[in-house]
Amino acid sequence: AQSVTQLDSHVSVSEGTPVLLRCNYSSSYSPSLFWYVQHPNKGLQLLLKYTSAATLVKGINGFEAEFKKSETSFHLTKPSAHMSDAAEYFCVVSEGGTYKYIFGTGTRLKVLA
Amino acid sequence: GAVVSQHPSRVICKSGTSVKIECRSLDFQATTMFWYRQFPKKSLMLMATSNEGSKATYEQGVEKDKFLINHASLTLSTLTVTSAHPEDSSFYICSARVGGTPTYEQYFGPGTRLTVT
Repeated sequence: AQSVTQLDSHVSVSEGTPVLLRCNYSSSYSPSLFWYVQHPNKGLQLLLKYTSAATLVKGINGFEAEFKKSETSFHLTKPSAHMSDAAEYFCVVSEGGTYKYIFGTGTRLKVLA
Repeated sequence: GAVVSQHPSRVICKSGTSVKIECRSLDFQATTMFWYRQFPKKSLMLMATSNEGSKATYEQGVEKDKFLINHASLTLSTLTVTSAHPEDSSFYICSARVGGTPTYEQYFGPGTRLTVT
């Protein structure tokens, strides 16, 4: 069965410094992986997705993630945090056959001025 | 493209009444739609998977008689919370998958905040 673990429930960074949000997955076959962002009381916005093409995936707003099969990781990074990046981030693995999403527990990113 | 809408965005209802939430795919056909529930400061919990023209598949622990899901067309799914109680208050989010493709990507609606008084 697939699962996803977000290793940090909260991350705080200063504005202008790098962001690292960690995600590890478990899957019995080649997964599709996603990162979504959710601002308060809003729906989910897709940041980026990995679907077995390039292992380094670039997304919107300067975010990117690298799929590392050997480490079963899909960490999200951004070189320089902006105040508007403060939000909840979810790592998601999709379940084959049923197309269901398995959500991580989320990481709340706080950006300090 | 791939826009999903939900209506209403917010609803307040009295305990014991029923409330219907609509989820529409605006520019694509969605053979599969999903309904999620999100508690404050928590992750999304999948409630059910809805396939057009067939009965919804509910996740373990979700009462199908309480949360009625109908997916009558390729662009519309509805969630009806029957005999609502304060503990049903939550943020409900739907998503849709583009039909006829192998993609796993889901497109999410903006969510509906339900408050039961």
